[in-house]
Amino acid sequence: GQQVMQIPQYQHVQEGEDFTTYCNSSTTLSNIQWYKQRPGGHPVFLIQLVKSGEVKKQKRLTFQFGEAKKNSSLHITATQTTDVGTYFCAGPVSAGGTSYGKLTFGQGTILTVHP
Amino acid sequence: DADVTQTPRNRITKTGKRIMLECSQTKGHDRMYWYRQDPGLGLRLIYYSFDVKDINKGEISDGYSVSRQAQAKFSLSLESAIPNQTALYFCATSSRAFSYNEQFFGPGTRLTVL
Repeated sequence: GQQVMQIPQYQHVQEGEDFTTYCNSSTTLSNIQWYKQRPGGHPVFLIQLVKSGEVKKQKRLTFQFGEAKKNSSLHITATQTTDVGTYFCAGPVSAGGTSYGKLTFGQGTILTVHP
Repeated sequence: DADVTQTPRNRITKTGKRIMLECSQTKGHDRMYWYRQDPGLGLRLIYYSFDVKDINKGEISDGYSVSRQAQAKFSLSLESAIPNQTALYFCATSSRAFSYNEQFFGPGTRLTVL
């Protein structure tokens, strides 16, 4: 079945350093979504990317979708303590162009930021 | 999101007990999901439902059952709890009206099976 792999599993940075997490799918995705889960909280939808090569920015966060629509990345510039949490990518489960209305989540990257 | 609620928020139980986790939503979404989260394993889908009469198994449904009592309510049951079902459980909702199926999560239920 479809697999979504995410690396690294953990990332520790000093405040002000940059951070990147990478997501790779075993199949071509129609879109990719990113979620953030604060410590003790629940996943919250951040963004979705749809087009091949698409790049979107949300303040210090930059999201990219690969040309082949099988990989994606999230880059945070100059991390702050408010960025701590787990970042998940997720891709829709589909086959033959038919979407099954469910997502496959990556394992997540746990980001800690040291002040 | 306050629009998706889960009860209880924490539960400690013993092996062999039957447990029900409940999820309610006021978003008016037709799709509901149950996930479990374990460290290093991300979010794994247990069951999902696209409407009251449409319930489907996810990737890890063994040992679990669900009930969609109404469009707004989706319950997860552990018929005979075992320790490896200790995890954080999330309910989520979505709508077929969304082009890309973004999901909205409840606050989670932390379940410990002794």
